[in-house]
Amino acid sequence: EVHLVESGGGLVQPGRSLRLSCVASGFTFEDYAMHWVRQAPGKGLEWVSGITWNSGSLGYADSVKGRFTISRDNARNSLYLQIHSLTPEDTAFYYCAKDLGTYYDSPAYFDYWGQGALVTVSS
Amino acid sequence: QSVLTQPPSLSGAPGQRVTISCSWSSSNIGALYDIHWYQQLPGKAPKLLIFNNNNRPSGVPDRFSGSRSATSASLAITGLQAEDEADYYCQSSDSSLSPSRVFGGGTKLTVL
Repeated sequence: EVHLVESGGGLVQPGRSLRLSCVASGFTFEDYAMHWVRQAPGKGLEWVSGITWNSGSLGYADSVKGRFTISRDNARNSLYLQIHSLTPEDTAFYYCAKDLGTYYDSPAYFDYWGQGALVTVSS
Repeated sequence: QSVLTQPPSLSGAPGQRVTISCSWSSSNIGALYDIHWYQQLPGKAPKLLIFNNNNRPSGVPDRFSGSRSATSASLAITGLQAEDEADYYCQSSDSSLSPSRVFGGGTKLTVL
């Protein structure tokens, strides 16, 4: 059974940094692209970032480009999202999501999701 | 503002059939690929409900079905049940965008 477990969320002051982690199990992690999708309180889903199976290609939404860095460690079955210069607009649940295939920007879908990590940016 | 447009809310009585639409304009997108649907129960993570327009993952009841035309897609739920009360999102990939994955704004379904 596929499991994705996020961690690293919490209350953070504006301007600070944070790293989210996602540990995967139940599938061969290194064979699949992975993503981060966020959801602000009471709002819809927003794709944030994706990474190919071998970290060879990365992508970011325009709203986070330059501040967010996605990475993965296939030996640890782990996905990461480093967030810099946090603003209140970054307050959201951040979901780790598995891709159907190996390339993050192929026309495909997210077949499994984690339970989410809540990031609250406030002074 | 998403390239995929969904009604913000919808309601239905138990046992009824409801359809949730996901539409787009060919004038402001490139080629739109297959449509996928996700169900998000209150306080939970999204879950894949329909993939590639009309396919159900294992475990999804056949009360849920999807369809697609040139400029819209629909998620139909028959025999509506109280546990179907949730937010529903459509998702696709737009070839004119890079990166290309896009979500609809979501539809909150209330079971009366």
